[in-house]
Amino acid sequence: ETGVTQTPRHLVMGMTNKKSLKCEQHLGHNAMYWYKQSAKKPLELMFVYSLEERVENNSVPSRFSPECPNSSHLFLHLHTLQPEDSALYLCASSQARTSGAYNEQFFGPGTRLTVL
Amino acid sequence: DQQVKQNSPSLSVQEGRISILNCDYTNSMFDYFLWYKKYPAEGPTFLISISSIKDKNEDGRFTVFLNKSAKHLSLHIVPSQPGDSAVYFCAASANGDDKIIFGKGTRLHILP
Repeated sequence: ETGVTQTPRHLVMGMTNKKSLKCEQHLGHNAMYWYKQSAKKPLELMFVYSLEERVENNSVPSRFSPECPNSSHLFLHLHTLQPEDSALYLCASSQARTSGAYNEQFFGPGTRLTVL
Repeated sequence: DQQVKQNSPSLSVQEGRISILNCDYTNSMFDYFLWYKKYPAEGPTFLISISSIKDKNEDGRFTVFLNKSAKHLSLHIVPSQPGDSAVYFCAASANGDDKIIFGKGTRLHILP
């Protein structure tokens, strides 16, 4: 596997379900990100992990819970979501600017989430 | 307040001609700028970047120009090809900050 992978690619869940999105990067990066893209809206940054520490939580509701067990893996745990949470969820990775590098982010293909 | 602005939601260009996508920013702390291309239902793909110590960076058909005094950058694609039809995002980051701030994107249509 190369680049940034995300599973599952598609997910349909009810409002009472609990599910998790998984992201894995094979680029040797030390920062990972979750973004949300809703229809006709710009990319919304949700969470940033740099050097395995959460450095940004962009006012995201607590029904979204990130986890970064190591620099290669990032999870987004979902519970009691709302229909308006239906969107494309994108994971990205980069070198951390806080480590002195330039941080072009490389994105995964996304998980298309539908909440019924 | 939008720190990275792409004021043209869409742009149509004839195949073979030059496409010019524009971007303005407000934060003078930004020192690294990026362009991404996105197809529907896919993640954005990194295209080209430029640091604030340069005013031009070229990679094949893609050239990014940076005008720091005007807080403006542009992406030139020449010659434009049908596969260039996509949404293009301008983005910027500041030294020491792991966030990248994205613009809202410009949809480029390459006409046959």
